[in-house]
Amino acid sequence: DTGVSQDPRHKITKRGQNVTFRCDPISEHNRLYWYRQTLGQGPEFLTYFQNEAQLEKSRLLSDRFSAERPKGSFSTLEIQRTEQGDSAMYLCASSLTVGTDTQYFGPGTRLTVL
Amino acid sequence: AQTVTQSQPEMSVQEAETVTLSCTYDTSESNYYLFWYKQPPSRQMILVIRQEAYKQQNATENRFSVNFQKAAKSFSLKISDSQLGDTAMYFCAPRSSGGYNKLIFGAGTRLAVHP
Repeated sequence: DTGVSQDPRHKITKRGQNVTFRCDPISEHNRLYWYRQTLGQGPEFLTYFQNEAQLEKSRLLSDRFSAERPKGSFSTLEIQRTEQGDSAMYLCASSLTVGTDTQYFGPGTRLTVL
Repeated sequence: AQTVTQSQPEMSVQEAETVTLSCTYDTSESNYYLFWYKQPPSRQMILVIRQEAYKQQNATENRFSVNFQKAAKSFSLKISDSQLGDTAMYFCAPRSSGGYNKLIFGAGTRLAVHP
């Protein structure tokens, strides 16, 4: 068990560019979550998948954001036409629907939009 | 919608002392889960302790324990024998037991442990 991994760890981009982040959950975990965390704040929920189905999306997830989990394993989060307000840490978590269904977090991808 | 209040933005404690971090939340559900996570500086979010709302017994995990008061919707975290490695942001996060599994995080408490 190698834990949740995220790639890249840091991304600097210019306003208007598209970016894509990847999350690899803990093996066998069927649920995967994306959160966004701005400086000095707690994480805010963006979206979650059970297997390959996207079951909930936050109102924070504007039309410029899209997430996929094509085979129920890794997930990608794409932001199109980035804005400076998108600068944040993007956290991924995974869980298994057994017991308390505890979420385990990855190290995050820090996005800076110039 | 659930809301979470962590009323102590910052706290400090001496090594080996005990500190309690407070958390109150609002929910209309009768069954749910509660979590405390820690986020050390520039490091990832780590689970500290969890509590199931239907269990009356307070959870304990080594030096970490909770005081769960369901009627008051209070879920405080006690850290005994504080260590330098406990320095971190601490987040309280309730979660529905139903189909919506998202964690709702408070704003966090920054804890500094001093030698």
